[in-house]
Amino acid sequence: GAVVSQHPSWVICKSGTSVKIECRSLDFQATTMFWYRQFPKQSLMLMATSNEGSKATYEQGVEKDKFLINHASLTLSTLTVTSAHPEDSSFYICSATTGPGLAGQETQYFGPGTRLLVL
Amino acid sequence: GQQLNQSPQSMFIQEGEDVSMNCTSSSIFNTWLWYKQDPGEGPVLLIALYKAGELTSNGRLTAQFGITRKDSFLNISASIPSDVGIYFCAGPRGGKLIFGQGTELSVKP
Repeated sequence: GAVVSQHPSWVICKSGTSVKIECRSLDFQATTMFWYRQFPKQSLMLMATSNEGSKATYEQGVEKDKFLINHASLTLSTLTVTSAHPEDSSFYICSATTGPGLAGQETQYFGPGTRLLVL
Repeated sequence: GQQLNQSPQSMFIQEGEDVSMNCTSSSIFNTWLWYKQDPGEGPVLLIALYKAGELTSNGRLTAQFGITRKDSFLNISASIPSDVGIYFCAGPRGGKLIFGQGTELSVKP
C-alpha cells in the first residue's frame, strides 16, 4: 500500500516551454501532497504544499507563477514549470500524506521523481 | 530553516559490516521517519517511529526513537551491496517534513 506515482519519469525540453508533472496516489486518498526539488548530493527542498481544492502554499523564495500547482482531486496533483530555463533543471519529487491520523501519526510517501533537463 | 542533524555524512564500509547512523534535534519530535533514496529515485520509507523509546525492526534494519524525543538512530546489520544509497531521517513539524542532511552509504563487496 501507499504507492505514489509520478509521470513523466524524465523530460527534456527547450528553454521557454512549459512542462507538466503529474503526481498520483494510487491506493489511498491524499489529503495533502507536497512538491520537492532536489539537487545532486543534497537533501530535499520543499517547494510547496498542496491541498485538494485549495490554493497551494509556497515556501519562501519559490515563485508561484513559475511553478503552478493544481490539486484537482484527492489522488492527483500537478506541477507545471512555466517558461522553463536551464536553471530549472533538477530532480522534482512529490509526496503524499493522509494527514496526522490517530495520535498525531504522520507519514509522507514519495513518488519516484521526475528528472527535468532544460536545454 | 530548521534541520535535523544527521551523522555521519558518509560511510564507506565492507560488505557484512554493521552500520549505525543517527539524527538529533534541539527540539522534540513526535514522529521519526527513516527513508532510503537510491540514485535517481524518490525516497522510500524504511521505518516509522511514533513513540518515545520505541525500537522497531524491518528485516536487517533497526531504528529507535530516543527517550527524550530529540534523537533517533538507524542500524543496518550485515550490510550488503544493495544497501548502497542515501539514508534520510525526517520528522513532521507544522504539517511539513524536516529532513536531515542524509548519510551516504557505500558498501564494498
